[in-house]
Amino acid sequence: GENVEQHPSTLSVQEGDSAVIKCTYSDSASNYFPWYKQELGKRPQLIIDIRSNVGEKKDQRIAVTLNKTAKHFSLHITETQPEDSAVYFCAASGQGTASKLTFGTGTRLQVTL
Amino acid sequence: GAVVSQHPSWVICKSGTSVKIECRSLDFQATTMFWYRQFPKQSLMLMATSNEGSKATYEQGVEKDKFLINHASLTLSTLTVTSAHPEDSSFYICSASGVRNQPQHFGDGTRLSIL
Repeated sequence: GENVEQHPSTLSVQEGDSAVIKCTYSDSASNYFPWYKQELGKRPQLIIDIRSNVGEKKDQRIAVTLNKTAKHFSLHITETQPEDSAVYFCAASGQGTASKLTFGTGTRLQVTL
Repeated sequence: GAVVSQHPSWVICKSGTSVKIECRSLDFQATTMFWYRQFPKQSLMLMATSNEGSKATYEQGVEKDKFLINHASLTLSTLTVTSAHPEDSSFYICSASGVRNQPQHFGDGTRLSIL
């Protein structure tokens, strides 16, 4: 089955700096890669996703890149703000958005003033 | 946007009790629902996938006789934790998928504490 690795496990940045979180996946058949933000005790919130036919996608301060050959994808947050502090999870899915998701281990991002 | 409601949000009960958690899609028909479990400071682990009108597909290592899943309609799936023990204490989250190529929508989760 699919295996998703995520690094780093914790990340501390100063407000205004950029944050990068990286994930690798094992199943070359995976074709959908969402990123979730989860605050303590809350449900995961989809912040951006990318499909395998696209190499990069951007939404305001958030961007995701995908390298299918290397089987890795990354989340980039620019101009970080304190409210970006949360746990971020990457995930991979083999048959599009409606199939089961395999999650990475999570990255705890702390944005300091 | 699509809304998934999960109930209850928090349950505390004695060891040996069975607990039912409901997951409803409020404004769309969910052909597939997923049940995840999340232990403190860990990731979400898929427990099972349920399709309306058919038996759930359980992930390896998940006891199907302990975690009963019923997806009786296109808007409701239930997870029953039978004879719960303290090690079953966790955060249980459902997600639902309806229209193809639309992302899964997550419920708010149920925090289960077994004493």
